Amino acid sequence: DAKTTQPTSMDCAEGRAANLPCNHSTISGNEYVYWYRQIHSQGPQYIIHGLKNNETNEMASLIITEDRKSSTLILPHATLRDTAVYYCIPTSGTYKYIFGTGTRLKVLA
Amino acid sequence: DVKVTQSSRYLVKRTGEKVFLECVQDMDHENMFWYRQDPGLGLRLIYFSYDVKMKEKGDIPEGYSVSREKKERFSLILESASTNQTSMYLCASSLGGFAYNEQFFGPGTRLTVL
Repeated sequence: DAKTTQPTSMDCAEGRAANLPCNHSTISGNEYVYWYRQIHSQGPQYIIHGLKNNETNEMASLIITEDRKSSTLILPHATLRDTAVYYCIPTSGTYKYIFGTGTRLKVLA
Repeated sequence: DVKVTQSSRYLVKRTGEKVFLECVQDMDHENMFWYRQDPGLGLRLIYFSYDVKMKEKGDIPEGYSVSREKKERFSLILESASTNQTSMYLCASSLGGFAYNEQFFGPGTRLTVL
């Protein structure tokens, strides 16, 4: 499984876009990139995933570089409720998620 | 909405006690998982199950066992609780058939072993 590097913490102003980067330079061809977030005192929540194309859903957009060595999760209009720890998880689908320490995003009023 | 529920939010047990953590999902998911979460270590997989009565070890199965007698229920058992098993325990479930299906997590059980 690929190793990931994410910033320890980030701040974002409410209403602005939050861009959360993830480096996964050792990702292999069959590994998808999943993003989850964990709001304080709750279990992780799925956000989005992708293989090589950019993806968008009602929660976020995922931009994956052409070489697949990094990705960026974009929350287009961050709200206070988006304050959470965000995990970037490459997975080969072997039922094993490697949760690192993630990025602690704080959305500021 | 998928719902994964765990029997307790907080649990305090004594060293040597047998502890049962229960997890129930209501979406007919084939796969169920047990993780523990510790500061600085992230979530680590203890066991998972891909069908009734089937189980596979995760990364840290030592000191734990599991039981899945019904599709909707997955139990984590600490045969003889120890202080190093004090942790947050998270249960998750996912659809089968495609290993990349997203996992839905319960709220967690914070277990303290004294």
